[in-house]
Amino acid sequence: GQNIDQPTEMTATEGAIVQINCTYQTSGFNGLFWYQQHAGEAPTFLSYNVLDGLEEKGRFSSFLSRSKGYSYLLLKELQMKDSASYLCAVPDTGRRALTFGSGTRLQVQP
Amino acid sequence: EAGVTQFPSHSVIEKGQTVTLRCDPISGHDNLYWYRRVMGKEIKFLLHFVKESKQDESGMPNNRFLAERTGGTYSTLKVQPAELEDSGVYFCASRAGYNEQFFGPGTRLTVL
Repeated sequence: GQNIDQPTEMTATEGAIVQINCTYQTSGFNGLFWYQQHAGEAPTFLSYNVLDGLEEKGRFSSFLSRSKGYSYLLLKELQMKDSASYLCAVPDTGRRALTFGSGTRLQVQP
Repeated sequence: EAGVTQFPSHSVIEKGQTVTLRCDPISGHDNLYWYRRVMGKEIKFLLHFVKESKQDESGMPNNRFLAERTGGTYSTLKVQPAELEDSGVYFCASRAGYNEQFFGPGTRLTVL
């Protein structure tokens, strides 16, 4: 089976940096996804990590440590529009169906 | 390019009624997934199609749920008869190759 843990809620200030952690337990590892979901909208793809290390994409970066079963999403220069839920997910082997964490609801304050 | 679309966006029905949800994947995406998020819980997998074939329906809650994908294009998910615990948001996603899944906006189902 697969299990994913991430904090339920986080609050940060506009312009600041926030790190959203995700720990996972999987029977086989096939990479890790981060999605962003605004209320009432579709989850949208942010990043995919399959190798250890940090991948940077503009204001967003994602880190993976396979030996620790750990990933984080780093958001820099926070903007009000970054207020959303951030979902950590791992695909299973073969069908690539995603197992999601419960999501971290980030609130960015002025 | 159009994204994944779902219809309806909201549905409110009474217990015992039937509801059919529709998903139109991105054109050319052979893989189609249905997921569901019930109140306070994480998004959970329901089933997976490759073209018109069901690859895995291990996530379907029970036999009141029936999914089809005739012709390998759009898919429908029918709930008959609906129960209170079926309330939630039903997401559809499609994937091409070995890449990320693209999600639709979801159908919010409320069973009264």
